[in-house]
Amino acid sequence: QQPVQSPQAVILREGEDAVINCSSSKALYSVHWYRQKHGEAPVFLMILLKGGEQKGHEKISASFNEKKQQSSLYLTASQLSYSGTYFCGTVYSGGGADGLTFGKGTHLIIQP
Amino acid sequence: NAGVTQTPKFRVLKTGQSMTLLCAQDMNHEYMYWYRQDPGMGLRLIHYSVGEGTTAKGEVPDGYNVSRLKKQNFLLGLESAAPSQTSVYFCASRLASSRPYEQYFGPGTRLTVT
Repeated sequence: QQPVQSPQAVILREGEDAVINCSSSKALYSVHWYRQKHGEAPVFLMILLKGGEQKGHEKISASFNEKKQQSSLYLTASQLSYSGTYFCGTVYSGGGADGLTFGKGTHLIIQP
Repeated sequence: NAGVTQTPKFRVLKTGQSMTLLCAQDMNHEYMYWYRQDPGMGLRLIHYSVGEGTTAKGEVPDGYNVSRLKKQNFLLGLESAAPSQTSVYFCASRLASSRPYEQYFGPGTRLTVT
């Protein structure tokens, strides 16, 4: 089961803030965030681990609510370069196949 | 370091033809993955490998086979291509660890089956 991302798309002016959500129906061990520009490969942004540790990317932060099985990605003072599609990838608690289960993505458009 | 590379970048096949996609990484990563990406679907895991000589099925393995004869290479095969296999295929790799580490993605192969 894919995690559910919201919103599906968002259009912002440069300098505005954005929040992208990722929600799972299964218990999560970790959440991975990637950004993909059109025609390119996904690029790693951040990992959030059960228990609170995270790896970060400057000007972009994220939270992980273990009880609600949700993660949110926060982009502050957005820049034109932030445009792209953001994916969350999940690793479920309890084992199973390795690899990430990705959401369908959130399209972010930053306008000047 | 080249990172993760994929060959070819583009390919057009006719229904029933076969082909092999090559993924190579020079980061000495143990884990390698094949994903497919379709419009509006995100990336879905086809097969993966946790080490040389090992492979395992992912979410959408039907119609594909894989092999990992060398640590640095992971091959994805389509024995009899179908239009439903038209997609962009991404390979990824990561270090082996009990802790989750980021996956590094290749540039992708755009495959069209007519």
